[in-house]
Amino acid sequence: EVQLVESGGGLVQPGGSLRLSCAASGFTSSTYAMSWVRQAPGKGLEWVSGISGSGGGPYYADSVKGRFTISRDNSKNTLYLQMNSLRAEDTGIYYCAKESVPGSVGYGMDVWGQGTTVTVSS
Amino acid sequence: QSALTQPASVSGSPGQSITISCTGTSSDVGGYNYVSWYQQHPGKAPKLIIYSVSNRPSGVSNRFSGSKSGNTASLTISGLQAEDESDYYCSSYTSNTPLYVFGTGTKVTVL
Repeated sequence: EVQLVESGGGLVQPGGSLRLSCAASGFTSSTYAMSWVRQAPGKGLEWVSGISGSGGGPYYADSVKGRFTISRDNSKNTLYLQMNSLRAEDTGIYYCAKESVPGSVGYGMDVWGQGTTVTVSS
Repeated sequence: QSALTQPASVSGSPGQSITISCTGTSSDVGGYNYVSWYQQHPGKAPKLIIYSVSNRPSGVSNRFSGSKSGNTASLTISGLQAEDESDYYCSSYTSNTPLYVFGTGTKVTVL
C-alpha cells in the first residue's frame, strides 16, 4: 500500500524552529517529486515547497523562502521540512504529497499523508 | 502569486449536475494542461479526483469530469450524491514561483 506518514509537528514559540518528517512506503520514493502543502485553520490549501526525486529544485513559496528548507533522504524514503523563524501565520496542518507522474512535476499529487499540526504561539 | 479564483459555494439537489469554475491566468491555468482537482472532507487529507485537466485517477467515480477553456478550468459533478458534499480545490502548475498554485476552494452542499 502506498502511504505517507508525517511527524514532527507541535507547539513552538514565534521565532522558533521545527523539523517535519514524512515517511514514504509502498513505492520507490526517489522516482517521484514530493511537496509540502499546508492549510491554516479554516482556510484553503497553500503549496509550500517541492523537491524532485533526485533532490533537484528545490522550490519554495514566497511566503516561506529563506526560512524553510526542504530535503529528502531516498535511502530512508523520507522527506523533510526544516522550518526556522516561525511566525504565527505558519500555523496549520502540514501535508506531504507525492506527484502522480514519475520524474515530473505539475500533473497533480495523488497520495497525501494524514497531516501534522504546527502551532506557532507564545 | 495569487490563488486561483473559485466560487465560495455551489449547491445542488441529489441527482443534479453542478459545475465549479477555477479561473487563473496564462501563467498557470491557461498556459498548461496541468490542472488538477481535489476533494477534501472535513478533517481529512485532500484526495486527487482529476489530473491533467480531465483525467480521473483509478477508483474515482466517472461522475466527476474536468475541462478547460482559456484561463478557466471547470469541474462537473453529475448525478450529485450526498457523499459529494465536501470542499473542492483546483490547482495548477505555474511558471511563476511557486511551483503550484491552488484555488480558493469551493464548498459543495447537497440540498
